[in-house]
Amino acid sequence: DMKVTQMPRYLIKRMGENVLLECGQDMSHETMYWYRQDPGLGLQLIYISYDVDSNSEGDIPKGYRVSRKKREHFSLILDSAKTNQTSVYFCASSSGGEQYFGPGTRLTVL
Amino acid sequence: QQKVQQSPESLIVPEGAMTSLNCTFSDSASQYFAWYRQHSGKAPKALMSIFSNGEKEEGRFTIHLNKASLHFSLHIRDSQPSDSALYLCAVSMSSNTNKVVFGTGTRLQVLP
Repeated sequence: DMKVTQMPRYLIKRMGENVLLECGQDMSHETMYWYRQDPGLGLQLIYISYDVDSNSEGDIPKGYRVSRKKREHFSLILDSAKTNQTSVYFCASSSGGEQYFGPGTRLTVL
Repeated sequence: QQKVQQSPESLIVPEGAMTSLNCTFSDSASQYFAWYRQHSGKAPKALMSIFSNGEKEEGRFTIHLNKASLHFSLHIRDSQPSDSALYLCAVSMSSNTNKVVFGTGTRLQVLP
């Protein structure tokens, strides 16, 4: 069963705290993505990873970093979270073409 | 830089109607075009995709692609209340087909 998982599903943090969002996939896809989705702005690409330790900035990378040490696992890190990083974050994976999305993480930064 | 725009922003149709959603893009060399559907509170899920000019039909859904006019569309025949969702179009970068740009979406409501 093809699946992308995300943990945690909901997270509340205070401004300045560090945040770790985790994503896993069981399809052995090489390419993985982190997006954020805000009302009226659609899905904005934060980072794309082409394989282990092969990561590239997307359209809005400022304030974020990523880590991919295993093909099936991709992490998004916010060092010193800001209130404008409150959003829904989606992870996705792909072998070319169709992207498979995780259920999302709703992050609130107070 | 690929620019992708969708119209209309929102749409309300009665059950059984034909629904048409539009997407324009800026790079005629793009190779992958797709529609995703996102029900409220859920993840986006791929609906249909097309790689070359023309039309593709799957059940009640049809995609039209015209690269020359930088336009592709999704048509839903016999719209159902379960079709109510946010529809996102996606177009790949010509320089990197792994990277796509999503439109901001059309919110469709089908009234029973």
